[in-house]
Amino acid sequence: QKEVEQDPGPLSVPEGAIVSLNCTYSNSAFQYFMWYRQYSRKGPELLMYTYSSGNKEDGRFTAQVDKSSKYISLFIRDSQPSDSATYLCAMSANQAGTALIFGKGTTLSVSS
Amino acid sequence: DGGITQSPKYLFRKEGQNVTLSCEQNLNHDAMYWYRQDPGQGLRLIYYSQIVNDFQKGDIAEGYSVSREKKESFPLTVTSAQKNPTAFYLCASSIDPEAYEQYFGPGTRLTVT
Repeated sequence: QKEVEQDPGPLSVPEGAIVSLNCTYSNSAFQYFMWYRQYSRKGPELLMYTYSSGNKEDGRFTAQVDKSSKYISLFIRDSQPSDSATYLCAMSANQAGTALIFGKGTTLSVSS
Repeated sequence: DGGITQSPKYLFRKEGQNVTLSCEQNLNHDAMYWYRQDPGQGLRLIYYSQIVNDFQKGDIAEGYSVSREKKESFPLTVTSAQKNPTAFYLCASSIDPEAYEQYFGPGTRLTVT
């Protein structure tokens, strides 16, 4: 079993839909959880960061962590065509950047 | 503008040739990283440097080499020993080695034929 599992998609939704992106993990020591957004042929950019369990909201984006289920989610409300990108989850047991484990990424397409 | 630059954007090489990918940052970050991204795979860490004149192997360092002679520069050499060098290479930096947030460059797509 890989440390981080992420469905690669692709996921296609109409504009305005609520999108749910998910990752599961096996290492119970993971405490730092991140979501990166990567547009085609570009480098990833940090979208959301959560420490330990709970929810975090930033505009149309909500990140959820359920450590008991080893499951993290990113919700996008009122999705826009500009949200079309690949979303990568990343996580680590400590805060060091060298310890980040990335998921494979889910490709999202939002049609107008 | 502060950020990370990688050059070139696209690079083509013949098999058996070494090639060096450039990465420069003007963010005054201490830590820098090189990742490889293949279709259907997550980012995999090749090398990282926490401070000038020091670097460490990541998960897939075989066939690669790096140097960190200046704080702002972290070039990656893909040697002929790398079995499958064709990939998208991403450079990143963070303010210090303990920082979770990494800033990525635009990437270099290397094709070896």
